[in-house]
Amino acid sequence: NAGVTQTPKFRVLKTGQSMTLLCAQDMNHEYMYWYRQDPGMGLRLIHYSVGEGTTAKGEVPDGYNVSRLKKQNFLLGLESAAPSQTSVYFCASSDRVRDREQFFGPGTRLTVL
Amino acid sequence: AQSVTQPDIHITVSEGASLELRCNYSYGATPYLFWYVQSPGQGLQLLLKYFSGDTLVQGIKGFEAEFKRSQSSFNLRKPSVHWSDAAEYFCVHTGGFKTIFGAGTRLFVKA
Repeated sequence: NAGVTQTPKFRVLKTGQSMTLLCAQDMNHEYMYWYRQDPGMGLRLIHYSVGEGTTAKGEVPDGYNVSRLKKQNFLLGLESAAPSQTSVYFCASSDRVRDREQFFGPGTRLTVL
Repeated sequence: AQSVTQPDIHITVSEGASLELRCNYSYGATPYLFWYVQSPGQGLQLLLKYFSGDTLVQGIKGFEAEFKRSQSSFNLRKPSVHWSDAAEYFCVHTGGFKTIFGAGTRLFVKA
């Protein structure tokens, strides 16, 4: 089992460029999440999905879009990158609602110049 | 509003010394509480979790945490710290699909 994987690991963008981050999980989890991590702020939820074809906004959704076309994949898109989106992005997945334990990917470090 | 507070931004302990990392939460009902550890450049790994029952929970790597409802706390402890424990630790609360992370406590271990 690879668990939760993220691609790419690193990316540098110029302001206004677009990109998509890919998250994949092989644990057959229903729920998937995208977070951003900034110094001194812990992780903040951007968007999440409770199943294939469904998405919902988290705490900091502005400037991001997501799609969950397949159960195992959760895509995070930046349509027009801004320097404020420089961050480390983590994807996570979880199965049973009762446990709510989330399994995290290794992260993507994004720099927007 | 729900919140998780980790009052210590960083802590330094000597190898072999005991460790306690503090966490306070704000939530009306019994929360689901977790401690995660993040090594430099890595993702987050679950150390332990509390949902109900025994208020002292054991985790991996020799860690334990105690849930105290009266103090709204869920402090993480380890009796003897190893150099490999140097990392950032996050206290996390979930309710529904709302997950709240504390700001984290960075642990430094000195020889």
